[in-house]
Amino acid sequence: AQSVSQHNHHVILSEAASLELGCNYSYGGTVNLFWYVQYPGQHLQLLLKYFSGDPLVKGIKGFEAEFIKSKFSFNLRKPSVQWSDTAEYFCAVASGGSYIPTFGRGTSLIVHP
Amino acid sequence: DAGVIQSPRHEVTEMGQEVTLRCKPISGHNSLFWYRQTMMRGLELLIYFNNNVPIDDSGMPEDRFSAKMPNASFSTLKIQPSEPRDSAVYFCASRVEQGGNQPQHFGDGTRLSIL
Repeated sequence: AQSVSQHNHHVILSEAASLELGCNYSYGGTVNLFWYVQYPGQHLQLLLKYFSGDPLVKGIKGFEAEFIKSKFSFNLRKPSVQWSDTAEYFCAVASGGSYIPTFGRGTSLIVHP
Repeated sequence: DAGVIQSPRHEVTEMGQEVTLRCKPISGHNSLFWYRQTMMRGLELLIYFNNNVPIDDSGMPEDRFSAKMPNASFSTLKIQPSEPRDSAVYFCASRVEQGGNQPQHFGDGTRLSIL
């Protein structure tokens, strides 16, 4: 079964700091990869996705992620965070015949103004 | 686009009572997912429907939980009898099936508290 690891459970940054959140998965075949964001009290929203092509994917709000197949990783990055980026971030991997996404445990990001 | 609509937004009830959560997926989406989110376990998939048919219900905790999708525009998740450990936020999500490369669209969730 697919497993998804987000090693950073809690991240605290100051505004303008750079961000990188790790995501690793276990399945070695074809995968579709997603990052979702959940603002406090809200539902999950898509930040970006990868399923083929350029492994460097750009999403909304200045976020980007890089798919490194050899490392089974799909890390999320942002060069300069803002207070409004305070949220929970989830990595999800869809694979196998039904492509049911498996979610990581999430990373809580707090950005201090 | 109205998005995925869930009701109720909040539910507080006593243990032993029946709880019914409702979901209306986005029109045209043919897959529907029910998730449970808790601090301890994160986001857990409970059940997945494709074209109204349950495909994977391996995440349903036990017989107290049941889910139905009588048509393409409506699904329910029922807990009977409810227990305090069922307290969580329950999310419904839908997507268009297209080889798994389409993102899921989530509802606002139902915050369930069982006393």
